[in-house]
Amino acid sequence: DSGVTQTPKHLITATGQRVTLRCSPRSGDLSVYWYQQSLDQGLQFLIQYYNGEERAKGNILERFSAQQFPDLHSELNLSSLELGDSALYFCASSGWTSAAISGANVLTFGAGSRLTVL
Amino acid sequence: EDQVTQSPEALRLQEGESSSLNCSYTVSGLRGLFWYRQDPGKGPEFLFTLYSAGEEKEKERLKATLTKKESFLHITAPKPEDSATYLCAVLPSNSGYALNFGKGTSLLVTP
Repeated sequence: DSGVTQTPKHLITATGQRVTLRCSPRSGDLSVYWYQQSLDQGLQFLIQYYNGEERAKGNILERFSAQQFPDLHSELNLSSLELGDSALYFCASSGWTSAAISGANVLTFGAGSRLTVL
Repeated sequence: EDQVTQSPEALRLQEGESSSLNCSYTVSGLRGLFWYRQDPGKGPEFLFTLYSAGEEKEKERLKATLTKKESFLHITAPKPEDSATYLCAVLPSNSGYALNFGKGTSLLVTP
């Protein structure tokens, strides 16, 4: 158990629908990252939050949005779902210290949420 | 544009047959290079971080090395339990703290 909790583990839905994926970071970690993993693209960075604020954006579609709440858990909202959105969605967390400036930023990943869009 | 390329895509070894996985990268300033292991249906698990050319790190049968353009993950006398996908990731200087991953090398070690 990595300490990063993701729910649900599996989700099957239809095109055009909206889903919410939830992530609880490791205790003490203030940063949360969302990644999408598909067979052909590998792990793609979507978005990062630090202590409730958006810090960095990657290849996140406009149909996708995320937020981090005061208790530090995060949610990734996926709307108007398409077949191509079927993938594994991973959440990762990391701690923030001055040492992170030198690159000592290890991401700890959850077990992922597998989304299937039919 | 930052790029991370891993080779080979897949590798099959017999138990005890040593080999190396390659990760070549192009980034605008490297703050760190990371190796992760991913088992099927699970999240990536951290193995190593390397920060500067010439650095090496070891863990059991694995040794990671770093040059200015690539990193190698050497696997010595592998066992079947080493079978997994090995992911390389870079932390560019202009990326905030999000890692940029390669597509991975899928390793199968047979008895």
